[in-house]
This record gives sequence, structure tokens and C-alpha cells, in this order.
Amino acid sequence: NAGVTQTPKFRVLKTGQSMTLLCAQDMNHEYMYWYRQDPGMGLRLIHYSVGEGTTAKGEVPDGYNVSRLKKQNFLLGLESAAPSQTSVYFCASTYRDSGANVLTFGAGSRLTVL
Amino acid sequence: GQNIDQPTEMTATEGAIVQINCTYQTSGFNGLFWYQQHAGEAPTFLSYNVLDGLEEKGRFSSFLSRSKGYSYLLLKELQMKDSASYLCAVLDSNYQLIWGAGTKLIIKP
Repeated sequence: NAGVTQTPKFRVLKTGQSMTLLCAQDMNHEYMYWYRQDPGMGLRLIHYSVGEGTTAKGEVPDGYNVSRLKKQNFLLGLESAAPSQTSVYFCASTYRDSGANVLTFGAGSRLTVL
Repeated sequence: GQNIDQPTEMTATEGAIVQINCTYQTSGFNGLFWYQQHAGEAPTFLSYNVLDGLEEKGRFSSFLSRSKGYSYLLLKELQMKDSASYLCAVLDSNYQLIWGAGTKLIIKP
């Protein structure tokens, strides 16, 4: 049982380049999320999905797009990367534990934009 | 605005007890989570509180006071592997998670 798998783990981009981060989960979770984590700040929600074929904006969606064509996959795209998008990106999905939506996170993808 | 406050960094000694505080101001409350995050790794779930009081799980306990907007995570019998960041997060009235910046805990021998 792999849990939540993110690829790639590391990537360096030049300003203006595009890329896609892939998140895959094998736990049959309905909800999936993309967060970014920056030093001195809490995790910030970029986009999320409550099921296959659905997506919604989070707190910081500008400059990112997402797709959830299959239940197990949630893709995060950067169409034209900017240095402000240098960050560690975490994908997460949810199961229920004692009535709470506990998040299972992927290992993270460290993105540097030059 | 919504706000979660935690100390930035704490230091404790191996074998001792440490308490990490979290205060919050959010639009509504549907539960509070604590996650542990080792450097360079993903956050992992530690505890969930939705009612006032203390929840105990082995060496870790979490306390909640909704009237005070306050929680703490208590770690007993500290081990070197407990060196990590501890993240406090609150589920608001829209069931969105609001995250604190995390508390980096340094354990010294």
C-alpha cells in the first residue's frame, strides 16, 4: 500500500517554463488537496477536489491549474512558472478517523524557479 | 481574519516533558489537529480534538479549550526522534483547515 505518491520529488525550472506535478493515491479517498509550504508560514491550500471530475480553488490558486480526471490522480500544473512559486508542494488525501477528516500527505515536491 | 499562533521554536532535554501551545481565532470551529513533520518529510497525523478536555495517546497528549481558543500538545519522556516541527491546524466553519506556521522542537541529549 503506497499511500500518496508525488512525482517529481525535485525540479528546477526557469521563469516562464511550465510543468505538472502528479499526485496518485491508492486508498480510494474522495478528497484530494494541493498545498504549498514556505518557511515561516503555515501550509496554504492551492486547489482541492471532492471527487473525480471536480476541482475547487483554495487560498492561493493564482498561477496554478488542476485536474482530477481519475479518482486516484490529482495533477497540479504551472503554466508559466515564476520565482514566487519556489516552494515545497504537498499533495494530501483524506480518510475518516473518529469522525475527523485526517489528511495523508505525500512526501512533497521541492520546486525551484530561477 | 483567521489566525493560528504557535511558538516558532522550543528546546527541551531528552527524557523531559514539553508543552507546545496553540491559540486560534477562526470563523467557527469544527475540530483541531496536531501533525508532526520531520525535516524534509511529510506531515503525519498525531491527534484530533473537537470537545474540551485531554486526549491521551501513549507519550503524546492533546488538550483543547474551545472557550479560550487554546490547545496544547504535551510530549512526555522525550526521545531524540521527537525532534521535529509540530503543526497545529483548525477546521473552520466551512470545513477548511487553517494551519499554524509550526513549532520546531529541538531535543538535546
